[in-house]
Amino acid sequence: DAGVIQSPRHEVTEMGQEVTLRCKPISGHDYLFWYRQTMMRGLELLIYFNNNVPIDDSGMPEDRFSAKMPNASFSTLKIQPSEPRDSAVYFCASSFTDRGRKAQYFGPGTRLTVT
Amino acid sequence: GDSVTQMEGPVTLSEEAFLTINCTYTATGYPSLFWYVQYPGEGLQLLLKATKADDKGSNKGFEATYRKETTSFHLEKGSVQVSDSAVYFCALRDTGFQKLVFGTGTRLLVSP
Repeated sequence: DAGVIQSPRHEVTEMGQEVTLRCKPISGHDYLFWYRQTMMRGLELLIYFNNNVPIDDSGMPEDRFSAKMPNASFSTLKIQPSEPRDSAVYFCASSFTDRGRKAQYFGPGTRLTVT
Repeated sequence: GDSVTQMEGPVTLSEEAFLTINCTYTATGYPSLFWYVQYPGEGLQLLLKATKADDKGSNKGFEATYRKETTSFHLEKGSVQVSDSAVYFCALRDTGFQKLVFGTGTRLLVSP
């Protein structure tokens, strides 16, 4: 059974460029989460979806960040324009509704470097 | 609001030593509790979980007991290995919510 799949695994880009990160959740999971991890701020929840609908985007740092989930098997996180302070590891996670008992399963992450 | 507090790291141990990583929480409801592990260069992996008071989660020799009276979920292992070196995250998910609240993580370093 495939886990959460993220692509690319590594992305290096120049400041000002658009960056798109991709995620395929575990089949059958109805929640999808995007996190960002840095040394300074630790693990931060950016946004999460339920049944493809954004539920809470209060963690999205600013308008340069946007996320979509066009269907149950695909989500994107876009940064436009990118800045050096966006350099981080971005994780996608998915879970299944069960009154909070079910765990979230994380993908391997995308390491983004903005120069 | 909900929060998770973990002991500061790094925790440095010799192989076969006993491990305890403390975790306490604050929650308004009846949360489920989790330990995740992150190996270098990888994503977070679920290590174990407990969904109600007095439950014990266990996996790969690690254990943690959900203690409602002390609002704690300490991670223990009787004999650590070099391969256990990683960052360990305690997390909770409160009743009716889907968001996980994470602690700051505790780095474990095990030397031969």
